[in-house]
Amino acid sequence: GAGVSQSPSNKVTEKGKDVELRCDPISGHTALYWYRQSLGQGLEFLIYFQGNSAPDKSGLPSDRFSAERTGGSVSTLTIQRTQQEDSAVYLCASSITASGLHTGELFFGEGSRLTVL
Amino acid sequence: GQSLEQPSEVTAVEGAIVQINCTYQTSGFYGLSWYQQHDGGAPTFLSYNGLDGLEETGRFSSFLSRSDSYGYLLLQELQMKDSASYFCAVGSNYQLIWGAGTKLIIKP
Repeated sequence: GAGVSQSPSNKVTEKGKDVELRCDPISGHTALYWYRQSLGQGLEFLIYFQGNSAPDKSGLPSDRFSAERTGGSVSTLTIQRTQQEDSAVYLCASSITASGLHTGELFFGEGSRLTVL
Repeated sequence: GQSLEQPSEVTAVEGAIVQINCTYQTSGFYGLSWYQQHDGGAPTFLSYNGLDGLEETGRFSSFLSRSDSYGYLLLQELQMKDSASYFCAVGSNYQLIWGAGTKLIIKP
C-alpha cells in the first residue's frame, strides 16, 4: 500500500486477555518501529527492527510484550495478559533505513487504540 | 541520559508567528526533526535539520545550532488548522529520541 497500515484501529479487551496488533509498513522500508502513546503524552519507544538484524527490544516495558517481523515486512506486537495500564495508542512507523542516519523522517500509521477494561 | 526539552504548551493568535524551542542532550546526534500531530491523528514529518542554520518550507521554518544543542520550529501566518501538538526528535544512533511535545493553541 501507499502508507503504513495498522490494524485493528480500535481494540477493547478485558484485563488478562492477550491482544495482537498488526503493522504493514511501506513497501521497501527496512526499518520498523513500534511506539506507545498515552493520552496527551509523547511517544514511548518500544521496539525497533532493521532488516534481518536482531531487533532492539530495549523499550519493551515488560516480558508480557513481544513483537516479531516476518519476512522483513509485516510486524505483529503481542501483549499477553493485558493490564489496564496497557491502555494507549500503539503507533507503528517505518523508514527507508535507520532514520537517525539520514533525513529523520518516519512514516507513521494511524495507530491502534487499545482499551483494557 | 538522553533528553529533549520543549514547552508543554504555547498559545498564539491566528495570523501571528510562533516559535517552539527544543533543547537536547543525547549521546549521539544525526539531526533534529519536527513532527506535527493533530488530536487523534498520526505524527507527520515537518522538517529536518542535519546542519546548523535555517531550513524553510512554506510557512514553517526550522533552525538548529549544534554547538548550543538547541533548535526551534517557527510557524508563520498561523492558521486555525495549525492547532496541534509539535514534537522535536533527535536522530541518535539508529533511532529517534522524542520530546514530550508542545501543544499549540491558536486563538482567533
